[in-house]
Amino acid sequence: AQKVTQAQTEISVVEKEDVTLDCVYETRDTTYYLFWYKQPPSGELVFLIRRNSFDEQNEISGRYSWNFQKSTSSFNFTITASQVVDSAVYFCALSEVNTGNQFYFGTGTSLTVIP
Amino acid sequence: GAGVSQSPSNKVTEKGKDVELRCDPISGHTALYWYRQSLGQGLEFLIYFQGNSAPDKSGLPSDRFSAERTGGSVSTLTIQRTQQEDSAVYLCASSSRGSTYNEQFFGPGTRLTVL
Repeated sequence: AQKVTQAQTEISVVEKEDVTLDCVYETRDTTYYLFWYKQPPSGELVFLIRRNSFDEQNEISGRYSWNFQKSTSSFNFTITASQVVDSAVYFCALSEVNTGNQFYFGTGTSLTVIP
Repeated sequence: GAGVSQSPSNKVTEKGKDVELRCDPISGHTALYWYRQSLGQGLEFLIYFQGNSAPDKSGLPSDRFSAERTGGSVSTLTIQRTQQEDSAVYLCASSSRGSTYNEQFFGPGTRLTVL
């Protein structure tokens, strides 16, 4: 079973629209971390954010915001006023303290922002 | 400073040949990960090195895959008797410590094509 599910394979939006990328995770650990990474067309994954399981506060960074809800095991990512430079594949990931070393990545959501 | 580098960037090989993929982590990073990214798939964990500890090889898909890390720095992933299903992008990542808390810094990947 997938530990991290990103149900949206591809999303296209017109520039300046808001877009939300969904991430649902599965874990039995009480202590875990959630991450979002961006993989632009150049190929290198870039770290965006990390949240720990004890901090459900939503976070905003510029046009990016993240909504962490333990009740629904979701860690959704919203881009406000999207720009062409936001076009990339976005990955959600989970790491479990008791599992040790592995990071579990979702299959990614490919976002295309149309000018 | 320099990021994670990988070589070669592209590798085309014939079925049955052995290949070696190289990763140079960020200087001072003690943790190093290898992942495989197949088309339309997420990142598949392969192997993890942390300092001088025994590596976590739990993600290696078969005994044709092996990896080593010399001097706690450079790592080589070796695939013996390559098969067409080994075609993928192989990503290396490093982090300053190996805990599940730390974000990983990814290299550009090696695209392997097995004919």
